[in-house]
Amino acid sequence: DIQMTQSPSSLSASVGDRVTITCRASQSISNYLNWYQQKPGKAPKLLIYAASSLQSGVPSRFSGSGSGTDFTLTISSLQPEDFATYYCQQSYITPPITFGQGTRLEFK
Amino acid sequence: DVQLVESGGNLVQPGGSLRLSCAASGFTFSNYSMHWVRQAPGKGLEWVSYISVNISTAYYADSVKGRFTISRDSATNSLYLQMNSLRAEDTAVYYCARNSRWVITGTTFYYYYYGMDVWGQGTTVTVSS
Repeated sequence: DIQMTQSPSSLSASVGDRVTITCRASQSISNYLNWYQQKPGKAPKLLIYAASSLQSGVPSRFSGSGSGTDFTLTISSLQPEDFATYYCQQSYITPPITFGQGTRLEFK
Repeated sequence: DVQLVESGGNLVQPGGSLRLSCAASGFTFSNYSMHWVRQAPGKGLEWVSYISVNISTAYYADSVKGRFTISRDSATNSLYLQMNSLRAEDTAVYYCARNSRWVITGTTFYYYYYGMDVWGQGTTVTVSS
């Protein structure tokens, strides 16, 4: 199975900050990488697919990059509604589909 | 509106059974493969099961293989998860999710990408005596 590892596990930031979250795959997954945002008590929301393609309706301050084993999710200017937990997920070799352990983005 | 609504979660004793349902609306359910994903209290997301459009293919996480069965009914736009031999570690919020496909054109080939673009609100399963 492909293991997905995110860093950091938690992150404190302020409104307006530029934030980067990293996801590393245990083997190459080309660009078959998705990012999700989850707020407390809510279902996850797809932000980015294919490593860098923005899902419809997602603000352009979110961007993704990477290929192979290393990927990043960047929020260019944090907004209050962006404080949430973020997960990466690989769709290259399935089953199983695997998620990262999550990165909790907290208000500083 | 495109919507998924789960139901069927409950408190059940270890070794018991439960059937979860997911009602789809606002899109052509028969055109999409579907997933179940769960989240234990305070933990991350764990993929549970997948079913293809034509029901010919179903996949399961090792943790539930042999105990859970995924199914679907396009006549009623419903997805199901039959859960047997439940264990304490199956305690979680269970989400159904739509599996969408995007096509990105490269210089020579088309590339297909998949992701879970619509999620239900979740239903809670608690396994405890």
